[in-house]
Amino acid sequence: QVQLRQWGAGLVKPSETLSLTCAVYGGSFGGYYWNWIRQAPGKGPEWIGEIDDLGNTNKNPSLKSRVTMSVDTSKNQFSLKVTSMTAADTALYYCARVEYSDTWHYFDYWGQGTLVTVSS
Amino acid sequence: SSELTQDPVVSVALGQTVSMTCQGDSLRGYFASWYQQKPGQAPLLVIYGKNNRPSGIPDRFSGSNSGNTASLTLTGAQAEDEADYYCSSRGSRNDHLWVFGGGTKLTVL
Repeated sequence: QVQLRQWGAGLVKPSETLSLTCAVYGGSFGGYYWNWIRQAPGKGPEWIGEIDDLGNTNKNPSLKSRVTMSVDTSKNQFSLKVTSMTAADTALYYCARVEYSDTWHYFDYWGQGTLVTVSS
Repeated sequence: SSELTQDPVVSVALGQTVSMTCQGDSLRGYFASWYQQKPGQAPLLVIYGKNNRPSGIPDRFSGSNSGNTASLTLTGAQAEDEADYYCSSRGSRNDHLWVFGGGTKLTVL
């Protein structure tokens, strides 16, 4: 059974950088997209970006300039950094796996979520 | 990229059938996927592709697609189906972005 477990700081000061890591257990790391998604309180999910096992990335244009993603295939882990955090970035952050074919893509496994609060 | 539009609130009587829709241009190129989210939990995939259910999802959940609209149908809604439901798809064939709908809050009466 595939499991995604994530960790990182839950409290970030304004203007500082958020760092999160997600580890993949019980499945192959190659052949999927590894994603970050956030959800502000009371709001729907917002896609942040994704990375594959080769390090190729796609990012939400609205966050692109502040987002860096990396992958460590030796540990089956991928990471997210978001710079210049503000109160508007306060949200529950999830990692998730994308399974895909030519016509369908979907998020099939999700991490447990990390509540990130931006406050001094 | 494009957007996905969902009705904010839908209600259904216990045991009855309800459908919720998701509209957007991206659905002309990619099938939507549907997620159930209960308070304090991560989203759970319930439908993907043309009409596929992951293992463990009851067969009262089904999906359909037509043009730029995807639909999720619950046949015989149960109390435990009360949740928020989100649709999602790739933005378009020309990019590799993702979009989510704003969500539908399903109330089971």
